[in-house]
Amino acid sequence: RKEVEQDPGPFNVPEGATVAFNCTYSNSASQSFFWYRQDCRKEPKLLMSVYSSGNEDGRFTAQLNRASQYISLLIRDSKLSDSATYLCVVSHQAGTALIFGKGTTLSVSS
Amino acid sequence: ETGVTQTPRHLVMGMTNKKSLKCEQHLGHNAMYWYKQSAKKPLELMFVYNFKEQTENNSVPSRFSPECPNSSHLFLHLHTLQPEDSALYLCASSQEGAGGAPGFFGPGTRLTVL
Repeated sequence: RKEVEQDPGPFNVPEGATVAFNCTYSNSASQSFFWYRQDCRKEPKLLMSVYSSGNEDGRFTAQLNRASQYISLLIRDSKLSDSATYLCVVSHQAGTALIFGKGTTLSVSS
Repeated sequence: ETGVTQTPRHLVMGMTNKKSLKCEQHLGHNAMYWYKQSAKKPLELMFVYNFKEQTENNSVPSRFSPECPNSSHLFLHLHTLQPEDSALYLCASSQEGAGGAPGFFGPGTRLTVL
């Protein structure tokens, strides 16, 4: 079983749609969780950290369910500029290896 | 200059060549990383340096040799590579104690091994 699993997509949605990405991780000792965004042929950029209590940043909401070892990212009111690959990232403890999922590709069309 | 910079941005080399990738961070971070991104595969951590000391080597073949002369610079020395080593090599930096997240990635070096 892969350490971090994501549905690769692609997710093709119209502008204004709400879209949700899911991610599962296999190591119950994982401590830190993140979503990164990677545009085509560009480097990954940190989108947001994921906290147990859930957190929101504008149109983006991230949630963590430790019991189910599940992370989600919700994007509301999708924009064309949201088109990218979204990477689920987990680390087992602070300052150690980050484990990346393969990413979920989102394409927002007008 | 700000952020994390990498040179060269593109590199084509033969299997017998020796080349080096360079990374520099201007963020005052104390941890630096090398990652490899191959097509249709997740990002793979290669090396971690905290305070210039290598703290992790993720079973990387010896044809890849990292060097970290100070906390702002990181090199990846390459020799006798194989075609399957062709990939995007990404450098990243973070501040230790910040939850382990490499907050910033460089633009990467796209490497092609012939």
